[in-house]
Parts: sequence; C-alpha cells; structure tokens
Amino acid sequence: NAGVTQTPKFQVLKTGQSMTLQCAQDMNHNSMYWYRQDPGMGLRLIYYSASEGTTDKGEVPNGYNVSRLNKREFSLRLESAAPSQTSVYFCASSDGTSGRFDTQYFGPGTRLTVL
Amino acid sequence: GENVEQHPSTLSVQEGDSAVIKCTYSDSASNYFPWYKQELGKRPQLIIDIRSNVGEKKDQRIAVTLNKTAKHFSLHITETQPEDSAVYFCAATPHGSSNTGKLIFGQGTTLQVKP
Repeated sequence: NAGVTQTPKFQVLKTGQSMTLQCAQDMNHNSMYWYRQDPGMGLRLIYYSASEGTTDKGEVPNGYNVSRLNKREFSLRLESAAPSQTSVYFCASSDGTSGRFDTQYFGPGTRLTVL
Repeated sequence: GENVEQHPSTLSVQEGDSAVIKCTYSDSASNYFPWYKQELGKRPQLIIDIRSNVGEKKDQRIAVTLNKTAKHFSLHITETQPEDSAVYFCAATPHGSSNTGKLIFGQGTTLQVKP
C-alpha cells in the first residue's frame, strides 16, 4: 500500500495564479483532510470530508476550495494564489468508522511558495 | 470553538533525561487526545493517544497523562535518545466532531536531544 500520496511535492506560483493540489489514499478510508503547516502555528485544518460526497470548512478555509472526487481522491484548489498561502500542505485520511477516535494518516506534503 | 495551547515551543534535553510537553484545551466536550511526531522533512505520525475515560497510557518510553478537570494533558518521554529529536504536536477533538475525526492541533514543540 502506498498510503496517502500527494502531488506535486514542490510548487512555485506567482500571485494570482491558480493550481490544484492532488491527494489520493489507497486504504479505503472514508474521511480525508487538508492542513497547512506554518512555522509556530502547528497544523491548521483547511477543509475536510467526513465521507464521500461531503465537504466542510475547517479553521482556515478562505482562499481555498476542495473537491472529493471519489472515495480515494480529495483535491485542494487555490483559485488566485496569494503570498499568505505560502506554506506546506498536508493531506490526511482516516478510517471514519470510529468517529472521533480515528488515527489520521498523513501524506508527504506539498511545499508551496507564492511569489 | 476548540483551542489547544502547547508548551514549550522548544525543548532541549541531554540524552537519557526525561522530556515533558504540556497541552491545554478549551472544550470540555473533547474526549480524544492524540500526539503526533514529525521528524525533519517528514510527515506527522501518530505516536500515542488517550481517550477521556483514561487518566494515563504508556507505550514503552512514552506516556500520556490526562487531567479532565484542569483540561490539560501531557506527553512524557523517558530515557530520551537522539532519534527522539523531532517536532511533537498534541491535538484534541473539537465540539461537534463526533462523526468526522476532525482534530485541532497545538502549535508544536521542537524537541532536541543532545548526545
């Protein structure tokens, strides 16, 4: 099993450009999450999908959109990138059958720089 | 909403000493408290967790304690080794997350173990 995979690993954008970060998991998990990690601020939840067909906002959703394409894939889109979105982005997934007690499994991350 | 505060932000210990990281949470309804370890350049990984019906849990050299009355929980690492050097994150389940597995993370603690 590859677990949780993310593409791309690195990306540099100019202000105003758009891009989509891709995430896929092969663990048959129901729930998926997108986080951003900034120095001194921990992991902040952007959006999550508790199950296929549903998405909800997390702590910092402004400037982002998501799509739960199917059970395996959960993408994050930046429509008009801003320097404040420079960060490391992590996707995660969890089984979803144990409710709030699930272990989250993280992908390797995408390092995004917006100039 | 839920707020998780983590201290200290950095911690330096000598190999063989103990390390303690503390977190406080605001939502008395939170009932799941995992700890994640992130090595440099790697993804976060779960190392131990505790549910609110338990006061302490141990796994070899690591342990977690929970004080529900005071709303704080701590990670204890004994006999530290250089490979324990990493960033550690605590987390808690926010209100209303019963079926989503959603977590709110602390800001992280960078632990350095000096040989």
